[in-house]
Amino acid sequence: QITLKESGPTLVKPTQTLTLTCTFSGFSLSTSGVGVGWIRQPPGKALEWLALIYWDDDKRYSPSVKTRLTITKDTSKNQVVLTMTNMDPVDTATYYCAHRLPGIAAGGVTFDYWGQGTLVTVSS
Amino acid sequence: DIQMTQSPSSLSASVGDRVTITCRASQGISKNLAWFQQKPGKAPKSLIYAASSLQSGVPSKFSGSGSGTDFTLTVSSLQPEDFATYYCQQYNSYPLTFGGGTKVEIK
Repeated sequence: QITLKESGPTLVKPTQTLTLTCTFSGFSLSTSGVGVGWIRQPPGKALEWLALIYWDDDKRYSPSVKTRLTITKDTSKNQVVLTMTNMDPVDTATYYCAHRLPGIAAGGVTFDYWGQGTLVTVSS
Repeated sequence: DIQMTQSPSSLSASVGDRVTITCRASQGISKNLAWFQQKPGKAPKSLIYAASSLQSGVPSKFSGSGSGTDFTLTVSSLQPEDFATYYCQQYNSYPLTFGGGTKVEIK
């Protein structure tokens, strides 16, 4: 059974750095083909993909926030960490981590299991 | 970036109705498209991938079709638990992008 859960601060100040942790179970990030992504959703708005890390430490970022993001993994702890610098009120959103659906042709990435999400508010 | 446009943005339907949602990509994405259902305060749930493949455990009343730039999600007989917001997502190329969502409400 695959589960994921996000953790981190619920409130950050503008210009601060946000660090979110995704703790998962039911799979290993050392297994070929496995990936974990981060997606966010501002209140009342659509989903926005942010970043993805693969089992082999390959990383992909959304160009819109690439300069502010870092994604890392700790395979021994079954965790993926997302760091976002220079937070702004427009970054207020629910942040989700999700498991890459395996077996997608040509290395495509979509998600089958999602965490419950964590709401991060950016305000002074 | 590939832009994903969903229509309509919202619709009202009755229990038992057949509902179809459209998703259009700004360029061809073959069949590299997924659909999600999201209920208020909950995480998205995967329904369909590869445009028409049903995710494990998803009832067969959900179906997807299309390829290239035009895709549809159909719910054959709407039930109370199906009232939600639906999103498409392309995975043909990075960055991964989602549609703006279609909210299905009770008439």
